[in-house]
Amino acid sequence: DIQMTQSPSFLSASVEDRVSINCKASQNLNRYLNWYQQKLGEAPKLLIYNANSLQTGIPSRFSGSGSGTDFTLTISSLQPEDVATYFCLQHNSWPNTFGTGTKLELK
Amino acid sequence: QIQLVQSGPELKKPGESLKISCKASGYTFTDYAMQWVKQAPGKGLQYMGWINTQIGKPTYADDFKERFVFSLETSATTAYLQINNLKNEDTATYFCARGIIIDYWGQGVMVTVSS
Repeated sequence: DIQMTQSPSFLSASVEDRVSINCKASQNLNRYLNWYQQKLGEAPKLLIYNANSLQTGIPSRFSGSGSGTDFTLTISSLQPEDVATYFCLQHNSWPNTFGTGTKLELK
Repeated sequence: QIQLVQSGPELKKPGESLKISCKASGYTFTDYAMQWVKQAPGKGLQYMGWINTQIGKPTYADDFKERFVFSLETSATTAYLQINNLKNEDTATYFCARGIIIDYWGQGVMVTVSS
């Protein structure tokens, strides 16, 4: 199985900060990497699919980059409603595997 | 709008069985696979597998080849996850999610297995 190493595990930032979260895969994913946001008690929400495509309805402050084994989710200007856990998912190779998650809090 | 609505929380004893439902609406059910994901308390997400909604063929990840059954009721645009011979380690929230991209998720079903 492809291992997904996500960092950092915990992130504290201020409103309007630029925030980045990383996922590193143990094998080449091409661009088949998604990013999700999960708020407490809610279903995960797709933010970015295929590395850099913004899901419909997601604010443009969210962006994704990377290919191969290294990927980044960036929030350009952190908002209070962005407090959540973020995780990546690779869907290049069976079985799909998830990153370990990044808990984002406001400083 | 696209929705996946799952059934309610479950409290079961070890050895019992349960069946979780995932009712899809807002899209053509058979155009997208249905995936299943487990989230144990305090742990990350674990991919369980998927079911081809056109032919009803399930595919299970290694950890879910025993005791777990994916099924469909296509006329009701509903997917099911059955777990047999429940164990304490099955305590988790179970999500259904749409498609190969995994773009929409159900709200999750919290399953508690305790004697």
